[in-house]
Amino acid sequence: TQLLEQSPQFLSIQEGENLTVYCNSSSVFSSLQWYRQEPGEGPVLLVTVVTGGEVKKLKRLTFQFGDARKDSSLHITAAQPGDTGLYLCAGAQTGYALNFGKGTSLLVTP
Amino acid sequence: DAGITQSPRHKVTETGTPVTLRCHQTENHRYMYWYRQDPGHGLRLIHYSYGVKDTDKGEVSDGYSVSRSKTEDFLLTLESATSSQTSVYFCAISGGGGSYNEQFFGPGTRLTVL
Repeated sequence: TQLLEQSPQFLSIQEGENLTVYCNSSSVFSSLQWYRQEPGEGPVLLVTVVTGGEVKKLKRLTFQFGDARKDSSLHITAAQPGDTGLYLCAGAQTGYALNFGKGTSLLVTP
Repeated sequence: DAGITQSPRHKVTETGTPVTLRCHQTENHRYMYWYRQDPGHGLRLIHYSYGVKDTDKGEVSDGYSVSRSKTEDFLLTLESATSSQTSVYFCAISGGGGSYNEQFFGPGTRLTVL
């Protein structure tokens, strides 16, 4: 069972455009994390959001946790080729494991 | 970057042979995890460990076993490899469970079973 649904699955845009990636669930999470993965490498943690309604910014990336702590979004402003990669959201409930979404593959072309 | 290494980084083996993948950490984190990543399925948890000699099954544990005799090492064994186990395997570590459980990943092992 896939607890976290990410959309879109694939996104191809040109440098300078804005985009939003969504991570949705019917389950409540105590925290939600976003990772970025480049080809041939492991996922790298970008941010953790904990409080419902929380907004965090990381340079041109803005992360928001839904008020009910069931969903999250990642907004990238003025995308650059270096933003290309697979973006994964992961939710924590109880215990040790994270529930990962299948990811959004982003391609930013010059 | 968290100090996590995986070995080997690439391996090609034949159906029916045993395979062991190693994950080594220098962070002294308590929790360690093995995932596999496949197109269309994302990251799926195979097994995890919450301490030395303490392990538990994840979502896709059939055909896999693990061992953790030291804090820094977590081994994943395929007793008799099958073609369906061709995948990229990632090890991850975290300092603790609870609300955050932020995980840090190794570079991955690409395994091909012919």
